[in-house]
Amino acid sequence: DVKVTQSSRYLVKRTGEKVFLECVQDMDHENMFWYRQDPGLGLRLIYFSYDVKMKEKGDIPEGYSVSREKKERFSLILESASTNQTSMYLCASSLKGGTYEQYFGPGTRLTVT
Amino acid sequence: GENVEQHPSTLSVQEGDSAVIKCTYSDSASNYFPWYKQELGKRPQLIIDIRSNVGEKKDQRIAVTLNKTAKHFSLHITETQPEDSAVYFCAASNAGNMLTFGGGTRLMVKP
Repeated sequence: DVKVTQSSRYLVKRTGEKVFLECVQDMDHENMFWYRQDPGLGLRLIYFSYDVKMKEKGDIPEGYSVSREKKERFSLILESASTNQTSMYLCASSLKGGTYEQYFGPGTRLTVT
Repeated sequence: GENVEQHPSTLSVQEGDSAVIKCTYSDSASNYFPWYKQELGKRPQLIIDIRSNVGEKKDQRIAVTLNKTAKHFSLHITETQPEDSAVYFCAASNAGNMLTFGGGTRLMVKP
């Protein structure tokens, strides 16, 4: 049974705080992704990684960074959280290439006050 | 880059009726088109996908059609049931590593 887990389901942070969101997958997938989900905007790609220490910017990378030190773990970092980063954050993983199913984590609802 | 537009944003149908959700894409190099379903409070899950060498694919009550010339693809759900109520996302990929998602359609099936 495939499994993608995220470190928190709900998180409340203050403006200016550094925030870490972690994602772990146990399927030995090469690709890992971070998306942001907002009503009416669908799933927007923040960053993705196709291998350890490799990353590529998605559609909305501003204000975010990522880290992938191990194949199974992909972290999203908000260096200085702002209120416009209040959102649902979804992690996903897949086999290498763009034509394989992406398996999503349960999501982290982040509120920045 | 790729741009995917999805319509309608909300759709309400009576149980037993059919539902159709349409998407258009901009990159003619895209060749993989999945559909994901997200039930309330749950994670998105793949329900069906189609590749560019196929015009139509069916799986029980759901089907997807693809028109590469017009650059649009559609999801068809027949004999809708209350458990079909969810948000549906279309997506497109050009065989790179990334999917571009549409804005989502909230489908409500009234019993």
